[in-house]
Amino acid sequence: DADVTQTPRNRITKTGKRIMLECSQTKGHDRMYWYRQDPGLGLRLIYYSFDVKDINKGEISDGYSVSRQAQAKFSLSLESAIPNQTALYFCATSDTNVGPWYFGPGTRLTVL
Amino acid sequence: QQQVKQSPQSLIVQKGGISIINCAYENTAFDYFPWYQQFPGKGPALLIAIRPDVSEKKEGRFTISFNKSAKQFSLHIMDSQPGDSATYFCAASMVIKAAGNKLTFGGGTRVLVKP
Repeated sequence: DADVTQTPRNRITKTGKRIMLECSQTKGHDRMYWYRQDPGLGLRLIYYSFDVKDINKGEISDGYSVSRQAQAKFSLSLESAIPNQTALYFCATSDTNVGPWYFGPGTRLTVL
Repeated sequence: QQQVKQSPQSLIVQKGGISIINCAYENTAFDYFPWYQQFPGKGPALLIAIRPDVSEKKEGRFTISFNKSAKQFSLHIMDSQPGDSATYFCAASMVIKAAGNKLTFGGGTRVLVKP
């Protein structure tokens, strides 16, 4: 969905490097989420934010941090990347408690 | 452990056939059950969704069947077409606080429809 954009789309980095994934949305939604997708595991929630001042850890937040710079921007950081953080990362937004959740196109991250 | 279990991991169906994907959950706090469709290189997109007070919902060739007592729900794709070849995720949502819900996904099913 072009209303939710993610940068970069692909990234290869080395173990120990700091990396930031960015998400921007033009839908005007308050709720934003970061998910990680691994084969066979589906999408797992890393962090979520219900408004600019509300940030919460998801099921797999260890090794990650986030920043909600504005209603439209939600960034995910890997402070010191490790190989098992190699995955597809998706940002999502929603404007109601029952969604739908709108997903960005994803960032494919490879940590060597 | 996964709160939403999905099966099978993959399935192959002939064009015109029926694809069936099953999901089960444990947490009765879940109150909304969407299915998402994902094509390669794209993010998941909402396909169809159901609330637990309804036993079945149909939209075109896609039907959700919901069994609240068994805590199971399934997606049926009727008259499957090659364009339906994608990965399908079931999901379940629960209220976390007044501000919003959290969506939990199953492991996904890769569907291949052969012409």
